[in-house]
Amino acid sequence: GAGVSQSPSNKVTEKGKDVELRCDPISGHTALYWYRQSLGQGLEFLIYFQGNSAPDKSGLPSDRFSAERTGGSVSTLTIQRTQQEDSAVYLCASSLAEAVGTFGSGTRLTVV
Amino acid sequence: QQPVQSPQAVILREGEDAVINCSSSKALYSVHWYRQKHGEAPVFLMILLKGGEQKGHEKISASFNEKKQQSSLYLTASQLSYSGTYFCGTERHRGGNTPLVFGKGTRLSVIA
Repeated sequence: GAGVSQSPSNKVTEKGKDVELRCDPISGHTALYWYRQSLGQGLEFLIYFQGNSAPDKSGLPSDRFSAERTGGSVSTLTIQRTQQEDSAVYLCASSLAEAVGTFGSGTRLTVV
Repeated sequence: QQPVQSPQAVILREGEDAVINCSSSKALYSVHWYRQKHGEAPVFLMILLKGGEQKGHEKISASFNEKKQQSSLYLTASQLSYSGTYFCGTERHRGGNTPLVFGKGTRLSVIA
């Protein structure tokens, strides 16, 4: 596609439920990154993929968070048993080289 | 190591100039600057590479001081459209496709 597409754009979920966030990167981009942005905070790195592999998972906050990428394209970030502190905007970015990433518009997650 | 941005926020009148700084305690390979408008995706502005020259984009330019491990973003003759939150993202090694570590951002408001 022309840009990085994320869905849903907004998600309200009840505490304890699982959620899946989807990212469609720019076609041909080998690297894909997930970041989290809480109110008034910077961009917190979660995980990145090179192809379908995740060389760096160091940013995942807990074992409730997991991500996968299939076919070197679409990625899904799953949060199990959501907590209120998971509320944030989840941003995905993709890049071809030199870590210059194009961001999607994000998924705003609200846990009530 | 998260880079430190300063100031945290700045208010300008149209036509005024501003400087936003991004400092790291570790040696850097590159610094990336992004601007994010409210509710939108961060948009890439420019990249400064170690040993590279100062770069510019219309009336927005940046420099990278390797001795100080500091990058500065210069906004001259500011326009209303410059309003947003500016983030610097840092890369410590030339690895390509490695995730950037972002600062907490500088909120810039340009008023008429």
